[in-house]
Amino acid sequence: EAGVVQSPRYKIIEKKQPVAFWCNPISGHNTLYWYRQNLGQGPELLIRYENEEAVDDSQLPKDRFSAERLKGVDSTLKIQPAELGDSAVYLCASSLDYRSNEQFFGPGTRLTVL
Amino acid sequence: GEDVEQSLFLSVREGDSSVINCTYTDSSSTYLYWYKQEPGAGLQLLTYIFSNMDMKQDQRLTVLLNKKDKHLSLRIADTQTGDSAIYFCAESKFGNKLVFGAGTILRVKS
Repeated sequence: EAGVVQSPRYKIIEKKQPVAFWCNPISGHNTLYWYRQNLGQGPELLIRYENEEAVDDSQLPKDRFSAERLKGVDSTLKIQPAELGDSAVYLCASSLDYRSNEQFFGPGTRLTVL
Repeated sequence: GEDVEQSLFLSVREGDSSVINCTYTDSSSTYLYWYKQEPGAGLQLLTYIFSNMDMKQDQRLTVLLNKKDKHLSLRIADTQTGDSAIYFCAESKFGNKLVFGAGTILRVKS
């Protein structure tokens, strides 16, 4: 069974440019998470989806970040415009549902903003 | 995360036991987790423990939980070079929101 798939794996952009990350969760997983991991830190939750509904986006910087999960399967996280401080690894995870004890993580997208 | 604290670095010799420590602040956390992250990879769930348990053993891994002191530890027996990685402690909050520590770098010397 395929794990969580993310693309691209690496992205280098100049500041003020837009960028988008894509995530395909494990088949059948209703809950999808986006985390940001800064260098030398643990992941921090940005947003959690239950099917297509964003149920926890309190940590998402809404002035420049947006996310969608239109059909309740794959998801896109966008930053527009990117800032230098957005350089980080963006991790996607999924679980069967919000009560599940196991979140399965993808390999992440490493973003570098120059 | 400010709610979960871990020591930064641990170095052990191959074959020795490793003990990675973690403290957390939220006594209402229901589950506590240990994740492993290898270079360039995502996080891999190693094990987790329910908050009403004191100990959980899974092959070479032993998790000890001291709820009074809000202290969690991960012991790896017979540590191998393949165990070299970053280990993250995490606590779960409402809706299974995970709050991670900053990670402990484990280096295994052969």
